Amino acid sequence: DAMVIQNPRYQVTQFGKPVTLSCSQTLNHNVMYWYQQKSSQAPKLLFHYYDKDFNNEADTPDNFQSRRPNTSFCFLDIRSPGLGDAAMYLCATSSNRGGNTEAFFGQGTRLTVV
Amino acid sequence: GDSVTQMEGPVTLSEEAFLTINCTYTATGYPSLFWYVQYPGEGLQLLLKATKADDKGSNKGFEATYRKETTSFHLEKGSVQVSDSAVYFCALRSNSGYALNFGKGTSLLVTP
Repeated sequence: DAMVIQNPRYQVTQFGKPVTLSCSQTLNHNVMYWYQQKSSQAPKLLFHYYDKDFNNEADTPDNFQSRRPNTSFCFLDIRSPGLGDAAMYLCATSSNRGGNTEAFFGQGTRLTVV
Repeated sequence: GDSVTQMEGPVTLSEEAFLTINCTYTATGYPSLFWYVQYPGEGLQLLLKATKADDKGSNKGFEATYRKETTSFHLEKGSVQVSDSAVYFCALRSNSGYALNFGKGTSLLVTP
């Protein structure tokens, strides 16, 4: 089945040690998103790619970066994780601009910072 | 800016009870509206959607109607099951953007 796959499901990293989360999709969607979801909170958009164009949210810390080498893959890089970055990170995709196209989510990566 | 307001949880119901989770929104123009469900430790799954006023989205016994006059998209189910226990998020996408704008989520616990 076509889907959005995130790896790993669980990631433990040390304080200040760079970490990369990955997302792949078989839906051939041109938009990919990264959301951060802290415990009992709504998902918060960090940034998204429309094709190759990167769009950063104004309040996303510089510590968070992203790469999209091709249509299928997108990576979230956290350069120096702090304890406050512990969260669930959700990748999502959608097909194009337009209000009537839903987003498809991966199962998420739970990041723990020790 | 665009925003979504959901009723606070947690909501606890007995099996076969009627469910309503309120959702109202603020947006310019005509956004699309969605309900997503999140089971423990999982990502978000689309439950239903509506793209224009008076549309009714439905899935798995859940329904929600896009009410432009009251800017609402309340989620309802006539008879909940234990397996419906999850967190439910109301969301909107404006016509001018791509990303979803989520409400804070409502936790639902259904007891046997």
